[in-house]
This record gives sequence, C-alpha cells and structure tokens, in this order.
Amino acid sequence: GEDVEQSLFLSVREGDSSVINCTYTDSSSTYLYWYKQEPGAGLQLLTYIFSNMDMKQDQRLTVLLNKKDKHLSLRIADTQTGDSAIYFCAGVINQAGTALIFGKGTTLSVSS
Amino acid sequence: GAVVSQHPSRVICKSGTSVKIECRSLDFQATTMFWYRQFPKQSLMLMATSNEGSKATYEQGVEKDKFLINHASLTLSTLTVTSAHPEDSSFYICSGRQGLNTEAFFGQGTRLTVV
Repeated sequence: GEDVEQSLFLSVREGDSSVINCTYTDSSSTYLYWYKQEPGAGLQLLTYIFSNMDMKQDQRLTVLLNKKDKHLSLRIADTQTGDSAIYFCAGVINQAGTALIFGKGTTLSVSS
Repeated sequence: GAVVSQHPSRVICKSGTSVKIECRSLDFQATTMFWYRQFPKQSLMLMATSNEGSKATYEQGVEKDKFLINHASLTLSTLTVTSAHPEDSSFYICSGRQGLNTEAFFGQGTRLTVV
C-alpha cells in the first residue's frame, strides 16, 4: 500500500523560504495534498496537486511534483511566524479516491 | 471552506469505560466520514471509512467491536471507544467529504486520555 515519508522538523527565519519535502511509494494517487495543523486545531487543506501536473502555485505556496522520483515538495515564500505549524502531505489509498494516508508531519518553526 | 465540528476536544476517562466522540458537518452533507488516529510524533492513521446509512469499513488491524462507528445521518458521525484502556489514549480526528469532492474537511480533533 501507499507509504508517505517526510522529514520531521524544519526551522527557518522569518522572511526566508521554507521547503518541506515528502516522498511517496504509490504512483497511482490521482491527487496529492498538503495540510496544515496548528496547535489544538483541525487539519486545514492548504493545496493539492493533480498527478498530471508538475507544479502548482497559489500565492506564497508552490507545490512541485516529481513523478519519476515520487517526490512532492511544498515551498512557502516569505515565511511568517504564523506559518509555524505541522505540515502533512497526504496521498490517496483507495480506488474511490476518498481515503487519505498521511505522512508523519513536518514541524515548521519560524523564528523572528 | 466547510466546517466540521468535533467534540469533545479533550476527554479523560477511566479505564474500562466507554467514550463517544461526535463529528458534525455544519454546512454540508457529509456522505462519507473518515476517522483517523494520531499517536505522538506519528502519522495520522486511517481507522475507518463510513458512508451514511451503511456499516463502516475498518482498516486492517482496527477492532470494529472496540471502535464503534455510527453514521446515521448526513451530518453526524460518532466514534465510540468501548472499554477504553490506557493504550487507547491518542488524538482522534474525523473528516467529512461530500460526494467524491477532492477536499475532505477535518474536525478539530479529540485528545483522549484513559487513566
């Protein structure tokens, strides 16, 4: 089945760019997702990318997908202290495309 | 985005008792609800998928008699942890999806501590 791996921690300075990486094993996922979880809050969908795309940009967020290497990344430009959170990448694990499997999450710490 | 309300946000219960967690979709009809469990520093693990009016489909290794899931309406799903034990202490989070929309909306999560 699908397995999703991501690094656990990332620390950046305010104003720098953050790049969170994720690798996955199952190339059949139609969509790949990035979620953000702030302390005590539910998961918030940040963005998603179709498997037939290489890149998607949404304001400060850029998602890059390398299908050959099964590598997904999320770049946050001009990182702010409010971006401090846990970021999860997720892929689809069922044929209906409705159930997700998540990576362990990357804790992003932004210092001023 | 749509809102999924999950409560309680925190619950402490005694070993051997049962705990019910509710997940409500406030402004959409969640035809499918998912329940996840998250251990500290570990990934979210899908426990079960439930479609309104049907029995839940449990992932391998999840005891269906211990984690009772009910999805009797399009706006409410419940997870009951029966005869809870300390090893059931975890963060449980639900999500709802309307149809086959790409986005699943998540509740705030419930921190269960069994003492």
